Order: sequence, then C-alpha cells, then structure tokens
Amino acid sequence: DQQVKQNSPSLSVQEGRISILNCDYTNSMFDYFLWYKKYPAEGPTFLISISSIKDKNEDGRFTVFLNKSAKHLSLHIVPSQPGDSAVYFCAASGAGNQFYFGTGTSLTVIP
Amino acid sequence: DTGVSQDPRHKITKRGQNVTFRCDPISEHNRLYWYRQTLGQGPEFLTYFQNEAQLEKSRLLSDRFSAERPKGSFSTLEIQRTEQGDSAMYLCATRNRAYNEQFFGPGTRLTVL
Repeated sequence: DQQVKQNSPSLSVQEGRISILNCDYTNSMFDYFLWYKKYPAEGPTFLISISSIKDKNEDGRFTVFLNKSAKHLSLHIVPSQPGDSAVYFCAASGAGNQFYFGTGTSLTVIP
Repeated sequence: DTGVSQDPRHKITKRGQNVTFRCDPISEHNRLYWYRQTLGQGPEFLTYFQNEAQLEKSRLLSDRFSAERPKGSFSTLEIQRTEQGDSAMYLCATRNRAYNEQFFGPGTRLTVL
C-alpha cells in the first residue's frame, strides 16, 4: 500500500512561471515531510522539509505548504528555471525511523 | 568529497551469484538507511541502522538479503543467490540524530542477467 502518493508523473512549465508539485499521504501519524530532487544517475538530493506543526516553510525559490486536514502537501518553485528540471520526490516520516517516498513527479522547465 | 559514497556504482551479475555493496556515510552521521528503487518508483525502505545496531528491517528484505554495519561507520548490503527481480538501484542514505533530513549516496545500479 502506497502511503505517500504523487499522482502526477510529469509536469511541464515555462521558465519564469510557477511550478506546483503535489503530494498526498494517507497515514495521519506522519509528522515530518520532505522534498527531494533527483537528477539521472544520481541519488536524491534534499530540498526542503516541513514539520507538522507548521503549514508553510520557505527557502529561497522553494516553498512547501502542508494541509494536515486534507493530508496534502505541495512544493512551489517560483520562478522556475531550466536547472530545476528533475524528478521530485516527496517523503514522509512518523514516530518510527522509516521514511516513505512517493513515486515522483518529473518536472521539465521549458526555456 | 565528504558526502555519502557507494561502491560499486554499477554491478552486472548472473542469476544465482552473490553480490555485496558498500556504503560510506558522512562521518558524523550515526544513522544509516538502505533503500531500493525500481523504475518509476520512489525509494523503498529496506533497513535502518543506528550506529552498529540494525533496528528496523522491511518485509521487502527477504532472507537472501543481509546488511551489516560492524563498527558503526561503513555498511554493506549483501544479496545472495540473486534473482532477476533484484535488478534495481540500491541507495544508501545517512543522517545525524539532530535532523530528519537524509543525505543520499549516488546509488549502486544492479543488473541481474
């Protein structure tokens, strides 16, 4: 059973516009959420995270929003740049030490 | 380079052979994770170490898989009697006790013929 879901396998956005990547989770015990970025032939790279006590966290061009009642989080990238083209994974963890990852969204930023 | 390193980066083996992968963590990170990733999927948790103790194992980790972290530093993941279904990218990630963020290595891509 997939506890973290990314329902959009791919997304294309024009350079300079906003990219919005979505993630849903099913386990209400999750209390920490992360976004990772992955280029081909490399391991995932940590991007930004948010604790369940917050509903927003911002780091430069990247903002993560958390809606606990809807069990939904999203990553906003503004403005999008061609170098942002990659696969983005969301991940969640709870009281244990396991991290659960979504299936990823491939973002293409068109120059 | 002080990041997480994995060796080898690629491994091609014949079905039935044993393979072993190594992960060297960031030096101050006492927590180490192994994941498996197949095409179109996100990383799937396999096992977790805190220092040298293996504290959690996924049900994905069959008895053909074994992992060790003998001195709480580097870790090895061994797969015995490999099967074609074992073909995947094997990722290692580490973190320290203060933060939830994991840092991933580049992975070992295993192909079982």
